[in-house]
Amino acid sequence: DAGVTQSPTHLIKTRGQHVTLRCSPISGHKSVSWYQQVLGQGPQFIFQYYEKEERGRGNFPDRFSARQFPNYSSELNVNALLLGDSALYLCASSSRQGSNTDTQYFGPGTRLTVL
Amino acid sequence: AQRVTQPEKLLSVFKGAPVELKCNYSYSGSPELFWYVQYSRQRLQLLLRHISRESIKGFTADLNKGETSFHLKKPFAQEEDSAMYYCALSGLGAAGNKLTFGGGTRVLVKP
Repeated sequence: DAGVTQSPTHLIKTRGQHVTLRCSPISGHKSVSWYQQVLGQGPQFIFQYYEKEERGRGNFPDRFSARQFPNYSSELNVNALLLGDSALYLCASSSRQGSNTDTQYFGPGTRLTVL
Repeated sequence: AQRVTQPEKLLSVFKGAPVELKCNYSYSGSPELFWYVQYSRQRLQLLLRHISRESIKGFTADLNKGETSFHLKKPFAQEEDSAMYYCALSGLGAAGNKLTFGGGTRVLVKP
């Protein structure tokens, strides 16, 4: 198993543009979470999806949205990009939702640069 | 609200010396605590978790609910321990099982 995969690995956008990031979870995992990691800080929770439904949302503006597909892969969309959206975006998958003992497995991340 | 604090941004130790990474948390319920590690050019990966009560790569961590701490310790640091370490908390709530991370501690083990 390749683990959690994310695409693209790097992305450069300009202010005001829109971006879509993609994530494929570990086979058999039904929960996908998204995190934003700004340089020099720990990851910050954005969304969690389980069985195609949003189960949690962090303190991010409505410009951020996500969805999960029937095959449990997920997309993170960010509209009207700002310079401050430049960060590493991490996707994590876990087998269940609703238990705080579940281990989350992280992907390599997508590095987004907004100019 | 969930919060995790790692007071040290950088820890520099010599090979063979003990190393302790501090982690304090704030959470009103019953938390699950984790330590994640990121080696150079690798993805974030789980090092150990409180519920397992196991030692991984010589590291141990004890949950102290009275002091709301989950410090990570290793008695004899090795050069391969050089990495970024994140303490994280997971609590049940409206946001499912989200992880709240500390700011991270960079460990540098010198030969």
